[in-house]
Amino acid sequence: EVQVLESGGGLVQPGGSLRLSCAASGFIFSNYAMNWVRQAPGKGLEWVSGISGSGGSTYYADSVKGRFSISRDNSKNTVSLQMSSLRAEDTAMYYCASSSGRYIDYFEKWGQGTLVTVSS
Amino acid sequence: DIQMTQSPSSLSASVGDRVTISCRASQGISNYLAWYQQKPGGVPKLLIYSASTLHTGVPSRFSGSGSGTDFTLTISSLQPEDVATYYCQKSNILPFTFGGGTKVEIK
Repeated sequence: EVQVLESGGGLVQPGGSLRLSCAASGFIFSNYAMNWVRQAPGKGLEWVSGISGSGGSTYYADSVKGRFSISRDNSKNTVSLQMSSLRAEDTAMYYCASSSGRYIDYFEKWGQGTLVTVSS
Repeated sequence: DIQMTQSPSSLSASVGDRVTISCRASQGISNYLAWYQQKPGGVPKLLIYSASTLHTGVPSRFSGSGSGTDFTLTISSLQPEDVATYYCQKSNILPFTFGGGTKVEIK
């Protein structure tokens, strides 16, 4: 059974840092690009960052470029999102989602999400 | 960047009605378009990719069409369990932008 499980969310002050993790199982992890997609309270979906199946290519939305960093460990079937210089507008549910193959296209398998709240 | 615009932003229809949702790209994206369903309080779920290919397990009352800049998601006979917000997403190049969403309710 395919499973994608996020962790690491919580309350953080503006300017602070947080690391999100995503553990996947039930599929050949290295064959799939992985992504983070977020949803602010009451708002729509926003793709945040993605990483190719090998981990050799990483991609970011302009809104987080220079502040967020994505990485993966194919030996542990995990992907992480290191978030720094956090702002109130980064408050959202963060979903981990796989693409259909080694490169980013659409989002096939989704986790339940982890909530990040940036507030003083 | 290519913008994705959905219309309407919300709609109310009766059970059994045919429902259509539009998604327009500001530039041509060939058939690199996906549709998602997000039920209230739930996780987004892939419905359709490559504009018209139904994802595994998705009921056949859902269909997608279009190419270039204009795309449509159709629910042939609306069911109570279809109450959700539907999003389109372009899947070809960065950034992988979503449309603003269409909220579907039962009249």
